[in-house]
Amino acid sequence: DAKTTQPPSMDCAEGRAANLPCNHSTISGNEYVYWYRQIHSQGPQYIIHGLKNNETNEMASLIITEDRKSSTLILPHATLRDTAVYYCIVRVAEWGGSNYKLTFGKGTLLTVNP
Amino acid sequence: EAQVTQNPRYLITVTGKKLTVTCSQNMNHEYMSWYRQDPGLGLRQIYYSMNVEVTDKGDVPEGYKVSRKEKRNFPLILESPSPNQTSLYFCASSFSGGGSDTQYFGPGTRLTVL
Repeated sequence: DAKTTQPPSMDCAEGRAANLPCNHSTISGNEYVYWYRQIHSQGPQYIIHGLKNNETNEMASLIITEDRKSSTLILPHATLRDTAVYYCIVRVAEWGGSNYKLTFGKGTLLTVNP
Repeated sequence: EAQVTQNPRYLITVTGKKLTVTCSQNMNHEYMSWYRQDPGLGLRQIYYSMNVEVTDKGDVPEGYKVSRKEKRNFPLILESPSPNQTSLYFCASSFSGGGSDTQYFGPGTRLTVL
């Protein structure tokens, strides 16, 4: 799986949009970009994923650059409960065994301030 | 409610005393996995299972056993726990299919081996 680079920490004001960047310059054509978050020692929570196109769900939006070498997770209206470590992961799309493993890096600690 | 459950949530034990951490999912998922999380090392996969009676080693399987006799359950067994197995453990499951599949995590089990 391709490696990812994220800033170690970011701050955001409550009610504002939080934009979390991720670089994955070695991503392959068959690799998805996933975002998970972990709120203080709880189980990681899936947020969103995409391959090429931008994606949006009820939690967030994912913007992937045209060359797919970077992406941005957008939380449109951050709340205090969004304070967490956010992980950007790239993973092969093929089915099978160890491909299902999620390799978490250090992630970005997002702190939402009142 | 669709969920992955783990028990116990907290456990303090002594070296050499066999223990089992249970994991159960109610989503009829075929794939299940165990991870451990340690400070500075991120999440590392211990074992995974593609289906009933099909298990395989992850990145850090030493000192652990698993079994998958039923689709919904995937217990983690420590035959002779040692202090270096003190960690936060997460069980995860996903439906199956391609790499676009999403993994759902349990709430975690914090294990301390004295």
